[in-house]
Amino acid sequence: KAGVTQTPRYLIKTRGQQVTLSCSPISGHRSVSWYQQTPGQGLQFLFEYFSETQRNKGNFPGRFSGRQFSNSRSEMNVSTLELGDSALYLCASSLATGQGTKNIQYFGAGTRLSVL
Amino acid sequence: EDQVTQSPEALRLQEGESSSLNCSYTVSGLRGLFWYRQDPGKGPEFLFTLYSAGEEKEKERLKATLTKKESFLHITAPKPEDSATYLCAVRGSGTYKYIFGTGTRLKVLA
Repeated sequence: KAGVTQTPRYLIKTRGQQVTLSCSPISGHRSVSWYQQTPGQGLQFLFEYFSETQRNKGNFPGRFSGRQFSNSRSEMNVSTLELGDSALYLCASSLATGQGTKNIQYFGAGTRLSVL
Repeated sequence: EDQVTQSPEALRLQEGESSSLNCSYTVSGLRGLFWYRQDPGKGPEFLFTLYSAGEEKEKERLKATLTKKESFLHITAPKPEDSATYLCAVRGSGTYKYIFGTGTRLKVLA
């Protein structure tokens, strides 16, 4: 069974540009969450989607947005990039939410974004 | 506000030297505490999930335990391949957010 797939693995952009990152969850998983990971802040929650609906959002500016498609694949967009957006962006999927093992999140390898 | 604090930030052990990593948490209605391992340049790899105080899980040289305020990840007779960053996360009731600690960087020397 394939794991969580994130593309691209690496990106280099300049300030002011926008970027779109893609995440394909594990087959059958309906929940997709996005995180930003930096050395100083650790994993910071961006947002979570379930059945194409955003159910929760972290404390990030509106430049960060996302969406989920009917096949559960998800995209994250960052507009007007800033130097501070350089980070590892991680996607995680789970079967569902609620009790038990259904809410275990499995992570992709991440997209390393560098903003110059 | 839900919060997770991990200690120590970094830990160096000799091969075979057992130790424990700590994860202290504050959460409204625990719906799960999760341990992950992360190697450089990779995404976190799921290790354990614990749901109620007193619960324990084991996998090879690792054992995770849970109380109402903290969790421990015990590493018995570690090997160099156990070197990684270990992350702890919690999920509370009424939210779909997972709150992560900043991790413990473990280095096991041969």
